[in-house]
Order: sequence, then C-alpha cells, then structure tokens
Amino acid sequence: DIQMTQSPSTLSASVGDRVTISCRASQSVSDWLAWYQQKPGKAPKLLIHRASNLESGVPSRFSGSGFGTEFTLSISSLQPDDSATYYCQQYNSYSGTFGQGTKVEIK
Amino acid sequence: QVQLQQWGAGLLKPSETLSLTCAVYGGSFSGYDWSWIRQPPGKPLEWIGEIIHTGSTNYNPSLMSRVTMSVDTSKNQFSLNLTSVTAADTALYYCGRARVRWLIDSWGQGTLVTVSS
Repeated sequence: DIQMTQSPSTLSASVGDRVTISCRASQSVSDWLAWYQQKPGKAPKLLIHRASNLESGVPSRFSGSGFGTEFTLSISSLQPDDSATYYCQQYNSYSGTFGQGTKVEIK
Repeated sequence: QVQLQQWGAGLLKPSETLSLTCAVYGGSFSGYDWSWIRQPPGKPLEWIGEIIHTGSTNYNPSLMSRVTMSVDTSKNQFSLNLTSVTAADTALYYCGRARVRWLIDSWGQGTLVTVSS
C-alpha cells in the first residue's frame, strides 16, 4: 500500500495568514492526488483533484501543487470558515489511501 | 445536484453483520462508481470498496474476506455488508460517488456504527 504522511498534524494561524499543508507519498502517485476539507460532524468535501485542479465552487484562496511524492495545499488568506481538518488522498493505486489529516485552527 | 442518503443499523454486537444502504438522488447512476469509506475514531479515512452499476466490485484487500457490496439499479441504491464485525470496525461509515476510481466527489451524510457487546 502507498502510505500518505501529512504535516503538520495541527496548525494554528490568524485570519489573513498564508497557510501551507504538506503531504508526502511513500512512492510516486504522479499527480493523482486530492485534497478534502472536513468540518466537525460533516462529510469530507472535495477541494482539489489532480494535485492542482480546484473543484467548482471552491474559493480561489485554496491552491494545490506538487507531483510524484511531494504535495502541498495552500490557503492564501486564511478565513474563519477554513477552520477544519484537511486530508490528502492518493488515487493512483489500489485502495486510494488517505493521509492522517491536518487540523487547522484559527487563533 | 446529486444527493446521497444512507441508512443502516448503528449498534452491533461482535460477530454480527454490518448492513448499510445508500440511495442516490439526482444525476446519473450508471456513469459513476459507488464507494464506501469509513473513518474510525481518531484514525484516517479508509476506502472500503466500490461497485459499479453492472455489479462489478473492487474491495480493499484488508477487508476483502468480509465485504460484500451490491447494487439495485431500479432504485438507484447500493449496499454494503461487512461480516463478523469486531470493535475495530467501529467507525463513521460514508457512502460516496467516485468520479474516477477512489476520487470521491459526493458523500452521504455518514452513519456511526458502534460494535460493542
């Protein structure tokens, strides 16, 4: 199985800050990498697919980059509504493994 | 706008069978793969498996021996059975629509399944 490792596990930032979350794959997944946002008590929401393609309706302050084994999710100007847990997921190979999540808190 | 609504028993005893069903409203049923994903407390999301409208399935190898999925195209519904549950199967279970394999672009509301004697 491909293992997905996210860092940090938790981050705390202020409204307006630029925030970056990292995701590392144990082997290359090309650009078959997605990011999801999950708020408490809610199902995950797909934000980005193919590493950098923003889903329709997702604010443009979200962006993704990377290829192979190293990926990042960035929020250019953190907003209160962005308080959530973010998961990366590889969908290159069997079982589509998820990272362990990064909880973003607003200071 | 597709909507997924799921239901099933939320409290099971060890060795019982978990059964969940997901109904799909709106959008195409035959044009997508239909998946189950779970989230144990404090652990990452885990893909359980998928089924397409023809009935063809793919399961997570770690669960393959206990998982069965089925589909009812006349009702736009699909179902999950997981046999011989243990406490390790306690999780929030989601159904989902896969745009391509393993990429879930629409999710059900989730069902908390607790396994306890």
